[in-house]
Amino acid sequence: GEDVEQSLFLSVREGDSSVINCTYTDSSSTYLYWYKQEPGAGLQLLTYIFSNMDMKQDQRLTVLLNKKDKHLSLRIADTQTGDSAIYFCAEAGTSGTYKYIFGTGTRLKVLA
Amino acid sequence: DVKVTQSSRYLVKRTGEKVFLECVQDMDHENMFWYRQDPGLGLRLIYFSYDVKMKEKGDIPEGYSVSREKKERFSLILESASTNQTSMYLCASSPGYQPQHFGDGTRLSIL
Repeated sequence: GEDVEQSLFLSVREGDSSVINCTYTDSSSTYLYWYKQEPGAGLQLLTYIFSNMDMKQDQRLTVLLNKKDKHLSLRIADTQTGDSAIYFCAEAGTSGTYKYIFGTGTRLKVLA
Repeated sequence: DVKVTQSSRYLVKRTGEKVFLECVQDMDHENMFWYRQDPGLGLRLIYFSYDVKMKEKGDIPEGYSVSREKKERFSLILESASTNQTSMYLCASSPGYQPQHFGDGTRLSIL
């Protein structure tokens, strides 16, 4: 079945770049999303990429999509302590049911 | 901005109680979703609805039901709460295939 995988933890120093990786299995995915969850809060949409794109940049965020390898990454430039959170990758297919498949989330810890 | 409001941030109930979790969105979205979030398991879809009075089972519907009598409101019902339903519950809404927008979540404890 469809699956989305992420590593569970990432630790970086303040000011460095963070790269959070995600792999997915559904080749029919049309949109891929990145969400951020701060402690005790819901999920906040960070950015998303359409499957016919290779890259999308939005201020400090860069999303790279490798469709051949079904690999998605989120790069955060100049990582700040406020970026400490859980980051979820999600894919939406073309099954017509609007369902997303979420990864387990990557907990990013930014060290001062 | 889209606003998805969940009625309670924290809720404590006893086993066997009937529990209602309410979610309201203010952007006239067709689709609404209920997820539960558990450590190490990510988000799992319980039920979703793509129109008033319409519902579809997600991946883990057992022990839950839903109600959507009005477009803006989607209720999750635990018919007889059990301790294994202690979790964080997240509601989301979306227009068509556009991104889902989430509420702040309800942390539910069943004693």
